[in-house]
Amino acid sequence: AQKVTQAQTEISVVEKEDVTLDCVYETRDTTYYLFWYKQPPSGELVFLIRRNSFDEQNEISGRYSWNFQKSTSSFNFTITASQVVDSAVYFCALSERGRDDKIIFGKGTRLHILP
Amino acid sequence: DAGVIQSPRHEVTEMGQEVTLRCKPISGHDYLFWYRQTMMRGLELLIYFNNNVPIDDSGMPEDRFSAKMPNASFSTLKIQPSEPRDSAVYFCASSLPGQGSSGANVLTFGAGSRLTVL
Repeated sequence: AQKVTQAQTEISVVEKEDVTLDCVYETRDTTYYLFWYKQPPSGELVFLIRRNSFDEQNEISGRYSWNFQKSTSSFNFTITASQVVDSAVYFCALSERGRDDKIIFGKGTRLHILP
Repeated sequence: DAGVIQSPRHEVTEMGQEVTLRCKPISGHDYLFWYRQTMMRGLELLIYFNNNVPIDDSGMPEDRFSAKMPNASFSTLKIQPSEPRDSAVYFCASSLPGQGSSGANVLTFGAGSRLTVL
C-alpha cells in the first residue's frame, strides 16, 4: 500500500540550529516520485523538491538538503542554520507510477523556529 | 498563467446547506486533485481527475460529497448536505502527468477554500 509517515508532529528549535524532518514511505512500485512541500503560516502550499526513485543522489539547495535512502525507505529534509522564516508545516509526499500518478501526503511536521 | 484559481476563498454556511467549491486548473495540466486539510487528518486526497475523467474517488468521505470536471478548465466539489465535521480547508491542485518531464507530478496548489459549517 502507498503510505507516507512523518512521525514528528511538531518540532521547535532555536534560530540558527540545524533541524532534520523525517519522512518514511511505503510502496510496492519500483518507480515512484518523492516530494517535499512547504506550507507557511499564510496557508499556501509550495513545492520544494521532487526526487525519482532511480536517483538516490542527495541534493543541496542553499540551506536545504535532502537525503534519500531507498534501503530505509526514507527521504529526510534538513534545514541548516534555520531562520524564523523557515517556520511552516512541511509535507512529504509520494507518487507511484503504477497507481496512475496518485499523489498522497504525510500528515506534515509543524516546524517552529524560535528567535 | 494565473495559477490554480479556487473560489470562494472563505465560505461560512449552516448545517444542511449545499456547498459548491470551484477550481480552475493551470492550462495544459492534465491532472486535477482535490485535497482536504484538517488539523486531525492532515492533507487527505479526496478525488483526482485525468483528462477530465475521475480516476480515484476512494477518498471521498461519503455520498454527500461529489466532484465533477465538465471540461479541462473547470472542476467543482459539492457537499450536500453539509455538516459541521466538513469544516476544513479544501485545496485544488493540478499537475502535468508523470511522463518524466521536469514538471511531471509536481502539484501546483490553489490558495484553498476555507469552509466553516455551523
